[in-house]
Amino acid sequence: GAVVSQHPSWVICKSGTSVKIECRSLDFQATTMFWYRQFPKQSLMLMATSNEGSKATYEQGVEKDKFLINHASLTLSTLTVTSAHPEDSSFYICSASGLAGGPTDEQFFGPGTRLTVL
Amino acid sequence: DAKTTQPTSMDCAEGRAANLPCNHSTISGNEYVYWYRQIHSQGPQYIIHGLKNNETNEMASLIITEDRKSSTLILPHATLRDTAVYYCIVRVKNAGNMLTFGGGTRLMVKP
Repeated sequence: GAVVSQHPSWVICKSGTSVKIECRSLDFQATTMFWYRQFPKQSLMLMATSNEGSKATYEQGVEKDKFLINHASLTLSTLTVTSAHPEDSSFYICSASGLAGGPTDEQFFGPGTRLTVL
Repeated sequence: DAKTTQPTSMDCAEGRAANLPCNHSTISGNEYVYWYRQIHSQGPQYIIHGLKNNETNEMASLIITEDRKSSTLILPHATLRDTAVYYCIVRVKNAGNMLTFGGGTRLMVKP
């Protein structure tokens, strides 16, 4: 159990376009979802935390108008990279956790989405 | 959350035990020790966590020193598929708490 999926697994887009990445918890209700970014040979950096039905909390230095996060349901969160540029090329990873005290209150990670902006 | 210190890289022979150390000298009393690993181009995978007692599951064992200032993750019989970056993270156990990833240890299991 506790499976998190991401779609797409990889995407290539032109500079200036927007890209949407989906993160789904397949077998549990995710009250909190996290979005991370990972550049080559670096560690994961948290971008934002979102709770279902409320606005995301962004980490310092992450532009909320560029990285739009929607957590409209307990099983789906989306990250939209607006007006993508080559420097946004990265590996984007989501994680999800369920109800505190329950079997899914730890973080479970998706497989990641590799974004390449040309 | 307390910071952790891990060696940058380690090698291990296939079939032998891999012992990955982690220092967390500023850990607070309510912080747990978590271990995740990330195989190349995949999302992190949870391995194990503990508070102060040693823990074991089907993947690994976690040994936490009595003063809780350091811990060791043990993979009892390493395989080539255990080659990955292993992250030691300390955090308060709460569903809403983020994970802060450090540099981790790059474990290379060699035949």
